[in-house]
Amino acid sequence: DGGITQSPKYLFRKEGQNVTLSCEQNLNHDAMYWYRQDPGQGLRLIYYSQIVNDFQKGDIAEGYSVSREKKESFPLTVTSAQKNPTAFYLCASSIAGGIGDTQYFGPGTRLTVL
Amino acid sequence: SQQGEEDPQALSIQEGENATMNCSYKTSINNLQWYRQNSGRGLVHLILIRSNEREKHSGRLRVTLDTSKKSSSLLITASRAADTASYFCATGGNTGGFKTIFGAGTRLFVKA
Repeated sequence: DGGITQSPKYLFRKEGQNVTLSCEQNLNHDAMYWYRQDPGQGLRLIYYSQIVNDFQKGDIAEGYSVSREKKESFPLTVTSAQKNPTAFYLCASSIAGGIGDTQYFGPGTRLTVL
Repeated sequence: SQQGEEDPQALSIQEGENATMNCSYKTSINNLQWYRQNSGRGLVHLILIRSNEREKHSGRLRVTLDTSKKSSSLLITASRAADTASYFCATGGNTGGFKTIFGAGTRLFVKA
């Protein structure tokens, strides 16, 4: 089965803690993305990576960090510097990082800060 | 502000009726895509229309693009209860780099 997976599905964090969200794809896609979705709203881009060992900030990168050491994996760390991290986080991938490439999404991780 | 903005924000129809959702955007684009999201799930790609295309069909879906008005519409014909979801337009632009920018979505509810 080809696809993109995210874990965990639900995550609870205490204030002041860092947490890492996992994203793995076996589609052999070069580009990967992290989005944040708040209730009733669209997606906002946090970070993206067009190739291994390279990534760029999106529109709302403050308080987040990523790594891209392997083509298949693009983990997102939500740090304690992110003031309002409770949200639904979506990971996506595309064949390449071209303009308007079709993106394939994982099922999402819902993060709640207690 | 977001590139794509959908209208209406919410739409409730009876099964069998057609559903029309609109998307407006601000700058020039290379293509426009429509995605669907079931509640609490990831997005699923539905259809892509390029800037030099005016209309595209896929099954019960019909997408139009009017680049002069910077707008697109998604028509779902003969809707089913299973079509209940949020629908997002996403623009891939000439400006602003490679990013795909998503609108806030239209919530469609199809009553059985």
